[in-house]
Amino acid sequence: DAKTTQPNSMESNEEEPVHLPCNHSTISGTDYIHWYRQLPSQGPEYVIHGLTSNVNNRMASLAIAEDRKSSTLILHRATLRDAAVYYCILRDSNSGYALNFGKGTSLLVTP
Amino acid sequence: DSGVTQTPKHLITATGQRVTLRCSPRSGDLSVYWYQQSLDQGLQFLIQYYNGEERAKGNILERFSAQQFPDLHSELNLSSLELGDSALYFCASTGTSGTSTDTQYFGPGTRLTVL
Repeated sequence: DAKTTQPNSMESNEEEPVHLPCNHSTISGTDYIHWYRQLPSQGPEYVIHGLTSNVNNRMASLAIAEDRKSSTLILHRATLRDAAVYYCILRDSNSGYALNFGKGTSLLVTP
Repeated sequence: DSGVTQTPKHLITATGQRVTLRCSPRSGDLSVYWYQQSLDQGLQFLIQYYNGEERAKGNILERFSAQQFPDLHSELNLSSLELGDSALYFCASTGTSGTSTDTQYFGPGTRLTVL
């Protein structure tokens, strides 16, 4: 399975943009890049996904490098409710498209 | 609210015992995935069922088993429990058998404590 590498933790000020990086140098051409987050005491929730082009939705933006070996999740204005562990995940068929979570990045948002 | 429900919320039991965790997927979803989250191993995929049939297996121990019933709810059975089985158990559901793009919707989890 292709693996991802994320920083263990990041800190941001409230209402500032946050850029969460993810490296996936062994990504294959058919792997989609997914981001999920897990708020304290809750189950994970979907944030965004993409293949090659940058993607935007109401929660965040996903910027994908041209060579697809890295991507960045962008939260445009962090709020205290965005404090969570963010997981960058590559989806593949080897395990029925199950999510391979890794350690993720713990995002701290300070007022 | 994801629409996925899990019961019970908390479970405390002793080593050697057997427990059953229950998951009801979102209305219309045919796939259920089970995950285990422990402090040392993180979130790990255990097993997937699609429309009553086992679809994929992850790091599931032989002491653990699961099934999906005709009404699509799923149960995860954990037997001969050990202290190391203490963890949060999540289920997730999707409408497909598994694709690169489908979204998994997670339940609130069951916290299992083995004493």
